Amino acid sequence: GENVEQHPSTLSVQEGDSAVIKCTYSDSASNYFPWYKQELGKRPQLIIDIRSNVGEKKDQRIAVTLNKTAKHFSLHITETQPEDSAVYFCAANSGGYQKVTFGTGTKLQVIP
Amino acid sequence: DTEVTQTPKHLVMGMTNKKSLKCEQHMGHRAMYWYKQKAKKPPELMFVYSYEKLSINESVPSRFSPECPNSSLLNLHLHALQPEDSALYLCASSPGMAGGPGGQFFGPGTRLTVL
Repeated sequence: GENVEQHPSTLSVQEGDSAVIKCTYSDSASNYFPWYKQELGKRPQLIIDIRSNVGEKKDQRIAVTLNKTAKHFSLHITETQPEDSAVYFCAANSGGYQKVTFGTGTKLQVIP
Repeated sequence: DTEVTQTPKHLVMGMTNKKSLKCEQHMGHRAMYWYKQKAKKPPELMFVYSYEKLSINESVPSRFSPECPNSSLLNLHLHALQPEDSALYLCASSPGMAGGPGGQFFGPGTRLTVL
C-alpha cells in the first residue's frame, strides 16, 4: 500500500517568515495530493490540493509543488501569520482512489 | 448547508455499554468515511461508504459496526469497546472519491472515552 512520509514533525518560524513542509510517497500510481490543516481541537480542513498533471499550484500565501519523478511534494507558506499555527497533514491517494493515506503531520508554530 | 455534523460531541462509555455515533451531511456527497484519530497522530481510516454501500473496511474489529441508512446519514455502532479505543472519531464526506479532487469535508468529531 501507499506510504507517506512527512518532515519535519515540528517547525517554528517567526511571523512573516516562510515555512516549508515536505512529503514523499511510495506508490507511483498516486495522482492526487491534498493538504489538510488541523487547528488545536478542530477538524482537519482541506487547504490546497494538486493533481499529478500539474507541477505547482498557488492560492494566495500557500503553494504546493510536486515532483513526480522523485515522488516528492511540498507545502510552502509565505508571510506566515500566527493564525497559520496548526498541524498540517499531507496525503496521497491510493486504493483505487477511494481513500487517501495521510502523512504523520507537522506541527507549525508561528511566533509573533 | 456546507458542513458535516456529528453527535454527540463527547461520549463516555463503559466496556459493556452499547452506543452509537451519528454523522450527517446535506451537501449531496455520495462518499462518507469514518476515521479514528489519536492525539498527535493523523486520522486513521476505518470505513468507506460509497453510494450507501460499504466499500472499504480497514480490518476494523467487529466491536465497531458502521451503518449508512441513507445518502446523508452515517452511523457507527459501538459495543464492548476497550480503553484503547478512546480517541477522536471523525466523520467525513466527499463529492467524489476521497482520492479525487475536492478532497474530504470533515465533521468536528466525537471525543470518545472508554472506561
